[in-house]
Amino acid sequence: AQSVTQLDSQVPVFEEAPVELRCNYSSSVSVYLFWYVQYPNQGLQLLLKYLSGSTLVESINGFEAEFNKSQTSFHLRKPSVHISDTAEYFCAVSEWSSYKLIFGSGTRLLVRP
Amino acid sequence: DVKVTQSSRYLVKRTGEKVFLECVQDMDHENMFWYRQDPGLGLRLIYFSYDVKMKEKGDIPEGYSVSREKKERFSLILESASTNQTSMYLCASSPPMATGRTYNEQFFGPGTRLTVL
Repeated sequence: AQSVTQLDSQVPVFEEAPVELRCNYSSSVSVYLFWYVQYPNQGLQLLLKYLSGSTLVESINGFEAEFNKSQTSFHLRKPSVHISDTAEYFCAVSEWSSYKLIFGSGTRLLVRP
Repeated sequence: DVKVTQSSRYLVKRTGEKVFLECVQDMDHENMFWYRQDPGLGLRLIYFSYDVKMKEKGDIPEGYSVSREKKERFSLILESASTNQTSMYLCASSPPMATGRTYNEQFFGPGTRLTVL
C-alpha cells in the first residue's frame, strides 16, 4: 500500500535562510508526486509536481523538489525563504491512472523575521 | 482558473443534528472529492465521485454519506453529527484521466471548519 511520510511536523527558520522539507513515500509501482501548500485559513494549492522526465522540478515562487527513486524521496527546498512562505506544506503521491491522492501528515513552515 | 467553492467557512452544530456541507466547482470536472483534515493526520479521503450519481467510499466513510445530483455539486452529509466529526472539511475536484494524461491533479476549495458541540 502507498504511504507518505513527512517526519517534521514543524520547521522554524529565519527569513532569508534556506529550508528543506522532507518527504518519503512507499509504493511498489511508478508514482506521481506532488507538493501542496496551505496558507492560513485557505484551501490547498498545488505548488509543484513530478510526473516524469527531469527529476528536479521547480515552482514559480522559488521552491524546488527533487525526485530520488532510489531513496523514495521528494524533498522540497528553497534557498532563501520569505515571511510569506509561512504555511503548511503537504506531500502527496498518486499511482499511475489512479484517482486517489495519498497525503502526508503535513509540515508547518514557520518563517521568523 | 478552476474555482471550487464551499457553502460555509465555519459551521457550529449540535450532536445528533443532520449536517450538509456543499461544494460547487465551475470547471466541468468529472471527479469530486471530500476530505477531512486533522492536525498530525494530514488529509484523509471520505468519499469521491467520478460522475453524477456515482460515488465510491474513501478511507474513512463511516458516519458520512454523499450526494451528487448535478455535475458541479457534491454534498457531504453527516446523518447524525458527533463530536468526533469536529474537523476541517475540504472539497476538491479534478478533470478525468485522458489519453496522454494519467495523473490526477486536484483543485481544492477553501474548506469548512465544522465544530460539533
